[in-house]
Amino acid sequence: AQSVSQHNHHVILSEAASLELGCNYSYGGTVNLFWYVQYPGQHLQLLLKYFSGDPLVKGIKGFEAEFIKSKFSFNLRKPSVQWSDTAEYFCAVNAETGANNLFFGTGTRLTVIP
Amino acid sequence: KAGVTQTPRYLIKTRGQQVTLSCSPISGHRSVSWYQQTPGQGLQFLFEYFSETQRNKGNFPGRFSGRQFSNSRSEMNVSTLELGDSALYLCASSPLSRPNNEKLFFGSGTQLSVL
Repeated sequence: AQSVSQHNHHVILSEAASLELGCNYSYGGTVNLFWYVQYPGQHLQLLLKYFSGDPLVKGIKGFEAEFIKSKFSFNLRKPSVQWSDTAEYFCAVNAETGANNLFFGTGTRLTVIP
Repeated sequence: KAGVTQTPRYLIKTRGQQVTLSCSPISGHRSVSWYQQTPGQGLQFLFEYFSETQRNKGNFPGRFSGRQFSNSRSEMNVSTLELGDSALYLCASSPLSRPNNEKLFFGSGTQLSVL
């Protein structure tokens, strides 16, 4: 069965600091990978996704993620965070084509201090 | 275009009762998925419906059930509520039941508290 691990539960950064949130998954086959974000008081929304091709994918608001197949990882990065990036970030994997059942990690709460 | 609408926003029930949650997907979206979100477990997949048929089911007991209507609206039912069912229940829709090149659009959720 698929599973997703997000090792950082709560990350606190100052504005302009660089961000890297870890995500590892367990599944031996082909996967689709996602990062979703939940801003305070808002619903979950897609940040970026990887299906195939270039393993470095760029998303909204300056975020990017790199798929490293050999490490079963899909870490999220941003060179310089802003206070408005304060949110909860969820990594998710879908390992069954034709199905919309995502397996989510437990989330990482990011707090950016002005 | 209106987003995914979930009603009610909050629910308080007592153990043993049953509850029905409603989800209206984005117009034109035919796939509706349900997730349970708790602080300790994160988001866990409940089930997915497409064209009134349950296509996928997560690892939840039979007390959790759902259905989808011809207009793609979906309901989720939980019978014989337990304290551990307290959670935020999220509904997500997408145009097709195919993950490639599609993303899920989530609603704001129904916060269920079981006392």
